[in-house]
Amino acid sequence: DQQVKQNSPSLSVQEGRISILNCDYTNSMFDYFLWYKKYPAEGPTFLISISSIKDKNEDGRFTVFLNKSAKHLSLHIVPSQPGDSAVYFCAASWGWNNNDMRFGAGTRLTVKP
Amino acid sequence: NAGVTQTPKFQVLKTGQSMTLQCAQDMNHNSMYWYRQDPGMGLRLIYYSASEGTTDKGEVPNGYNVSRLNKREFSLRLESAAPSQTSVYFCATRDRGVSGANVLTFGAGSRLTVL
Repeated sequence: DQQVKQNSPSLSVQEGRISILNCDYTNSMFDYFLWYKKYPAEGPTFLISISSIKDKNEDGRFTVFLNKSAKHLSLHIVPSQPGDSAVYFCAASWGWNNNDMRFGAGTRLTVKP
Repeated sequence: NAGVTQTPKFQVLKTGQSMTLQCAQDMNHNSMYWYRQDPGMGLRLIYYSASEGTTDKGEVPNGYNVSRLNKREFSLRLESAAPSQTSVYFCATRDRGVSGANVLTFGAGSRLTVL
């Protein structure tokens, strides 16, 4: 039962353009959504999060949008840089003391110079 | 400040062999986790420990055991390895981020191949 889905295994964009990574979820109990970035041979690192009571959170070049009615969130990277090339995981959790965070399968982003 | 350290980084086992993956953290976090990452599956929780002395099953616990030795260390044991346990294993700790979200800090991973 995959409660968090990333339907695009890969995405390729030109340097300087916008990257949009998408994520869908099924569990309406999720109250926090997170994005992690993973480089080869490293563990995932936290990038940005959003609470379910918000629809947008921005941190520098990274913005996450949440559409609760559609159970959909997206990560926008503007402008994209070659160093952004990595696998991006969408994750969701519910209840601050709940230990079961669910992850999507990941989207591999390639930013071409 | 090493964060979360996992050993070994790579291991090849034969079916039926046993081994233990070690994880240590210096972040003074109470909660620790073991995930496995498989192609097309994302990260799935195997076991977690909310505090020293406690452990609980996650989404895919079958074939694994864990030990929370102290606050710093959380080990994952495969008693009789199977090819289905070929995966990349990640240890993580949890903290509360400024936004209120639970943020995980991961180790670099341990790549395990079972022949």
